[in-house]
Amino acid sequence: DTGVSQDPRHKITKRGQNVTFRCDPISEHNRLYWYRQTLGQGPEFLTYFQNEAQLEKSRLLSDRFSAERPKGSFSTLEIQRTEQGDSAMYLCASSFQGGSTYEQYFGPGTRLTVT
Amino acid sequence: GENVEQHPSTLSVQEGDSAVIKCTYSDSASNYFPWYKQELGKRPQLIIDIRSNVGEKKDQRIAVTLNKTAKHFSLHITETQPEDSAVYFCAATPGGSQGNLIFGKGTKLSVKP
Repeated sequence: DTGVSQDPRHKITKRGQNVTFRCDPISEHNRLYWYRQTLGQGPEFLTYFQNEAQLEKSRLLSDRFSAERPKGSFSTLEIQRTEQGDSAMYLCASSFQGGSTYEQYFGPGTRLTVT
Repeated sequence: GENVEQHPSTLSVQEGDSAVIKCTYSDSASNYFPWYKQELGKRPQLIIDIRSNVGEKKDQRIAVTLNKTAKHFSLHITETQPEDSAVYFCAATPGGSQGNLIFGKGTKLSVKP
């Protein structure tokens, strides 16, 4: 499969628990983005990596959120002490920095439900 | 920061008619404007994009126009088909960013057979 993949696809957790999501980008893509999408809204940017460096964070990314991309390949997004307001679809996207392309390709998302 | 407004929020057309969705943006330095189609329960799919140095781009039944002076861009779908039914999102890359996208709130397009 040459597309962006995410795991798990669904996660149900109790308030206060920690959760971790994984994203595997398209193999030759060096840029990786995390977005959050709630029902009826467009995706909201959370953070961005170029290779292993985290270069940009949204103010939406509170202290409870942390993201890593240790070897410049897959990335993880961790949410600590989850709150009901964290319930959303977490989308990962990747792109290749080369020439003038900015095209981002999305994964299927991880749907988080906090009870 | 960048703000993207999208209209209408819902659009219903008869099969074969054209559909137009409009977006405005606030950051005059924005330089990349993609459109995504999202079917229920699926990932957003890039359908067409345009850069700030181009006024119009077409791909079969889909076209996008950009007016930099007015800071708005539009998606045009001709000869609509039932399989075009989905939520469409416009987005913009703010000037000075590394390519992160600011999305509009989406337009739910329904094409009636």
